[in-house]
Amino acid sequence: DVKVTQSSRYLVKRTGEKVFLECVQDMDHENMFWYRQDPGLGLRLIYFSYDVKMKEKGDIPEGYSVSREKKERFSLILESASTNQTSMYLCASSFSGSNEKLFFGSGTQLSVL
Amino acid sequence: GDSVTQMEGPVTLSEEAFLTINCTYTATGYPSLFWYVQYPGEGLQLLLKATKADDKGSNKGFEATYRKETTSFHLEKGSVQVSDSAVYFCALSRNNAGNMLTFGGGTRLMVKP
Repeated sequence: DVKVTQSSRYLVKRTGEKVFLECVQDMDHENMFWYRQDPGLGLRLIYFSYDVKMKEKGDIPEGYSVSREKKERFSLILESASTNQTSMYLCASSFSGSNEKLFFGSGTQLSVL
Repeated sequence: GDSVTQMEGPVTLSEEAFLTINCTYTATGYPSLFWYVQYPGEGLQLLLKATKADDKGSNKGFEATYRKETTSFHLEKGSVQVSDSAVYFCALSRNNAGNMLTFGGGTRLMVKP
């Protein structure tokens, strides 16, 4: 079974801190994604990557950056955390090509105080 | 831009009741359509999909038909179980490229014994 592992289930940070969220997948997927999930808003795409060192902005990239130095790992970085970044963050991966199934991690609930 | 609209929840049903969760979309071109399900404490997982008009996706007793004329992809199940309690997300692909999905807001289903 494909596994997408997110490093933390719950995280509490202070305003202004630099925050790293890590995601690792074990199925050699080309594509990796970061979404945030907020009640009533569904999932919104922050960034995605279709290859090592490649990244594309999603719908809400402001305040975030990403890093993909190895194929299996995709990191989301909050340069200076703010309270409006309190959310559930979901990582996903898939093979390249059309209509491939996305495999999701179980999420990181981030609270910024 | 592309968007997906789902009925707001929660939807509360008794076991063995009939389920419908409405989903309509706005998109350019002919997107593929998906239903993902999120069980408590877990990441999203693909439930079913349809890639062209009049296609019916089905899985685990759930089904949805891609209706181009009404831009809809309603999820149905004839007899729900307590184990179906979850949040259901409707989604569409963006130009069939890179598996980028646009998600609806999610609908929480609660099934009571």
